[in-house]
Amino acid sequence: KQEVTQIPAALSVPEGENLVLNCSFTDSAIYNLQWFRQDPGKGLTSLLLIQSSQREQTSGRLNASLDKSSGRSTLYIAASQPGDSATYLCAVAPRTDKLIFGTGTRLQVFP
Amino acid sequence: DTGVSQNPRHKITKRGQNVTFRCDPISEHNRLYWYRQTLGQGPEFLTYFQNEAQLEKSRLLSDRFSAERPKGSFSTLEIQRTEQGDSAMYLCASSPGGFVSSGNTIYFGEGSWLTVV
Repeated sequence: KQEVTQIPAALSVPEGENLVLNCSFTDSAIYNLQWFRQDPGKGLTSLLLIQSSQREQTSGRLNASLDKSSGRSTLYIAASQPGDSATYLCAVAPRTDKLIFGTGTRLQVFP
Repeated sequence: DTGVSQNPRHKITKRGQNVTFRCDPISEHNRLYWYRQTLGQGPEFLTYFQNEAQLEKSRLLSDRFSAERPKGSFSTLEIQRTEQGDSAMYLCASSPGGFVSSGNTIYFGEGSWLTVV
């Protein structure tokens, strides 16, 4: 059974810091991995999608990497801002068209 | 493009009552998904549709839950004889075709909060 774990569960950093969020999964048989952002009480917004054949994806200040063989992904956020405060969720797509989510990392960036 | 729309946004109901949530996907998205999320947890897959066909159902979807997508447009999720354990946010999402192999982005709605008292 695929399990997705995210570390740390919560993170509080001052504005301007570079930070790394971690995601690990137990079954490497995935089609892709996605990172999402969720604001309190809201839906999810897709940030980055990495296909299983790819190693990383970048969007603005965000960079996500994927090491499928070791079952790990990281989301790197450069020069963090208070507006980045949210919960970040990673999700893997096994060999069906559904997502299996981790429990998320709650990020707070203070001025 | 107004995004994925969900109604109602909040619902408080007494245990034993039936509730129905509606989801309007982004137009021309043929895939529609339902997830459930409880506080402090990630979303859990419930079911998904390709047009009007329900292709997969999670074991989380007990006999009290039913989802439909008539005519392949909007979808409804009905919960019968609600229990306190059904209290959660129900998220709907859509995508233009499958995302597993094609890498299409999935778009989530704002969710429908259910509180069973």
